[in-house]
Amino acid sequence: DVQVLESGGGLVQPGGSLRLSCAASGFTFSSYAMNWVRQTPGKGLEWVSGIFSSGGDTHYADSVQGRFTISRDNSKNTLYLQMNSLRVEDTAVYYCAKARRSGSSSPFDSWGQGTLVTVSS
Amino acid sequence: EIVLTQSPATLSLSPGERATLSCRASESISSYLAWYQQKPGQAPRLLIYDASNRATGIPARFSGSGSGTDFTLTINSLEPEDFAVYYCQQRNSWPLTFGGGTKVEIK
Repeated sequence: DVQVLESGGGLVQPGGSLRLSCAASGFTFSSYAMNWVRQTPGKGLEWVSGIFSSGGDTHYADSVQGRFTISRDNSKNTLYLQMNSLRVEDTAVYYCAKARRSGSSSPFDSWGQGTLVTVSS
Repeated sequence: EIVLTQSPATLSLSPGERATLSCRASESISSYLAWYQQKPGQAPRLLIYDASNRATGIPARFSGSGSGTDFTLTINSLEPEDFAVYYCQQRNSWPLTFGGGTKVEIK
């Protein structure tokens, strides 16, 4: 079975940093694009960032451009999101989502259960 | 960025009825639209991709249509497990964007 499992969430002060990880199993990780999507408690979904299967192409939402960095280690079947200069408005549940194909714009056909990031003083 | 507007915000229906959900894009997105279902406390689940293709394991009562700027998700004969929030999402251009969601609730 395809599984993606996020970790690394927690409480951080404004201006701080956090790195999220997403461990993948049950599929050939290196063949698929991966994405991060977030959801503010009780609100809608916001796409955050995506990375192509090879890791050579990345994209970001304007709201996180320059502060967040997506990366992947295909030898470890793991996706990462390095979040710097965190703001209160970054508080959300962060989901790791597998794309249907190698291109990161492909629809997201498997999602993790999410990890909560809380930015507060 | 492409804005997706979903309507209505809430749809109150009874089991067995048909649900018709709308998603309108601020500019043409060809057929690059997906629909997701999300239940409380769960991650979203892909239902439809590229406007009209059902994802693996999705029942035939779910169907999608449309192209350009206007899209529809239809759920024929609502089952109790279909009451949830539904989101549309475009992949025509960066940044990828989601609609605000439609909640299908039991009447």
